[in-house]
Amino acid sequence: EAGVTQFPSHSVIEKGQTVTLRCDPISGHDNLYWYRRVMGKEIKFLLHFVKESKQDESGMPNNRFLAERTGGTYSTLKVQPAELEDSGVYFCASSQAPGGHNPYEQYFGPGTRLTVT
Amino acid sequence: AQSVTQLDSQVPVFEEAPVELRCNYSSSVSVYLFWYVQYPNQGLQLLLKYLSGSTLVKGINGFEAEFNKSQTSFHLRKPSVHISDTAEYFCAVSDPGDAGNMLTFGGGTRLMVKP
Repeated sequence: EAGVTQFPSHSVIEKGQTVTLRCDPISGHDNLYWYRRVMGKEIKFLLHFVKESKQDESGMPNNRFLAERTGGTYSTLKVQPAELEDSGVYFCASSQAPGGHNPYEQYFGPGTRLTVT
Repeated sequence: AQSVTQLDSQVPVFEEAPVELRCNYSSSVSVYLFWYVQYPNQGLQLLLKYLSGSTLVKGINGFEAEFNKSQTSFHLRKPSVHISDTAEYFCAVSDPGDAGNMLTFGGGTRLMVKP
């Protein structure tokens, strides 16, 4: 079974540019999460999809961040325009729906390291 | 609101020595507790979890953790570490009443195993 994959692994962009991060969850996982770790800080929740619907986006920092999950499969996280404080590692995770074998276990991807200069 | 404190940002230890990584949480409700490990250039991998039942939880790679409700702690232990255990370890909590199962993480502890 393939794990959670994220693309790209690294991205270096200039302030004001746009970047789109992609996450492919484990096949069949209804839940998809985005988290972010700014250097030296905790990993923080950004948002949660159930299939194609945004269940909770309380962690999104501002309206420069837009997440989508068309068709309930892969998800994208767009940052437009990027600011210096957006630098960090963006993690994606997925989990089964309630009633699944391990509904509370989130499987994480390797992350995308975003550097805004 | 929940919060998680990992008291040590770095823990150096010699190979084959025991280790304890500390985690305390703050929550007004019951919690689910998790320990994740991140090896270099990899994603977070679940080591173990506490949902209910026995307060002593055994995980992969010889790790175990004990849930202590009165002290609101969930410390991670291993009796004898290997070089390959060098990684960053994260403690996390979620609210059983939260259908979304959002995780709240501590700041992480870097375990450095020396030969």
